[in-house]
Amino acid sequence: DTAVSQTPKYLVTQMGNDKSIKCEQNLGHDTMYWYKQDSKKFLKIMFSYNNKELIINETVPNRFSPKSPDKAHLNLHINSLELGDSAVYFCASSQASYGYTFGSGTRLTVV
Amino acid sequence: SQKIEQNSEALNIQEGKTATLTCNYTNYSPAYLQWYRQDPGRGPVFLLLIRENEKEKRKERLKVTFDTTLKQSLFHITASQPADSATYLCALDGYDNNDMRFGAGTRLTVKP
Repeated sequence: DTAVSQTPKYLVTQMGNDKSIKCEQNLGHDTMYWYKQDSKKFLKIMFSYNNKELIINETVPNRFSPKSPDKAHLNLHINSLELGDSAVYFCASSQASYGYTFGSGTRLTVV
Repeated sequence: SQKIEQNSEALNIQEGKTATLTCNYTNYSPAYLQWYRQDPGRGPVFLLLIRENEKEKRKERLKVTFDTTLKQSLFHITASQPADSATYLCALDGYDNNDMRFGAGTRLTVKP
């Protein structure tokens, strides 16, 4: 059983399109996250979310929005995609003060 | 501004030796420091967590130290093996545990 699963694994799309990446965790964790890993392999937090609070990294454009239908899901919606959005996006989850569990990533390519 | 620096972009060592990776931080008072392993094409995998009031943590061949005065963590892999070759990431988090920041990582290669 995959603990944190993301779909799709690969996403190629044109500039200006709107796309979504789905994330589900079956660990019962309270908090979920989205990270972006750029071409230099640097991991940067975008959002963290639990049922009480959404924390947004102030550098994330408002074209990006997380949507959580329930505690086990945190989807990422991206509007008006730009070339610079090309990266690998990782979903993660955690419970209290313990290590994060990451998904396997979604490689987004904007052409 | 807050910075997390891992001193080497790449580290090459011989099998059987101890690998030591360094993580330094500035303008930060983390409650937790964590180490992750990342293989190409995969997500980071959690290895160890150490709290601000702990000096050292061990898990099998792994050892982490945390010096809040020096603002530094050392990550050791003893009796290294080629299978330990990967990128190792240092990460810091505050008390709320919802804003973990990563260093750029150190790519470790263990040669047979």
